[in-house]
Amino acid sequence: GAVVSQHPSWVICKSGTSVKIECRSLDFQATTMFWYRQFPKQSLMLMATSNEGSKATYEQGVEKDKFLINHASLTLSTLTVTSAHPEDSSFYICSARFLRGGEQFFGPGTRLTVL
Amino acid sequence: DAKTTQPPSMDCAEGRAANLPCNHSTISGNEYVYWYRQIHSQGPQYIIHGLKNNETNEMASLIITEDRKSSTLILPHATLRDTAVYYCIVRTDYGGATNKLIFGTGTLLAVQP
Repeated sequence: GAVVSQHPSWVICKSGTSVKIECRSLDFQATTMFWYRQFPKQSLMLMATSNEGSKATYEQGVEKDKFLINHASLTLSTLTVTSAHPEDSSFYICSARFLRGGEQFFGPGTRLTVL
Repeated sequence: DAKTTQPPSMDCAEGRAANLPCNHSTISGNEYVYWYRQIHSQGPQYIIHGLKNNETNEMASLIITEDRKSSTLILPHATLRDTAVYYCIVRTDYGGATNKLIFGTGTLLAVQP
């Protein structure tokens, strides 16, 4: 299957700082990328959908000014958690979809801990 | 709104077949059934998907009932590495720009030695 990478795999930061997470599709072009968040012992929650070259579409209840998403190319999307607080500590997972076809491939996830 | 219903947990003996059920009684005619799994602290892994015919690949088989209101994922010879949360998801518009995977609570499959 197609490979999606995330960087970093884990990050610890102080409250009030911003953290950027990168998501890359390594061997295919992804017009659409998705960002999910997962709290311990819970399922994945979709945060936003981003299409290359356009603004992201956020799910209800997700603050777009706090979770900045940029999808500047067909292989790269970034999620920036601005002014992070301890309640933002979570497992963030990105997913990418082929140019044509609906199958989604997932990255390995990024564990964010805000102190 | 939950579109699928799965048991919260199941056990299976190593080497035996694992049969994971999923109910999707409100599935629409153009919705596919997708199965993913998530091993602890990893990203979800695609397993298989189907529309109305049974499907098989190197990982699993997917059996969809004739009325499409339920399906079963079959892992023919479960190993300890198959211990994971398995998600059954229905989704419209294969390849469409606005479709997305919405995860429910899934089934935690525990393969016992």
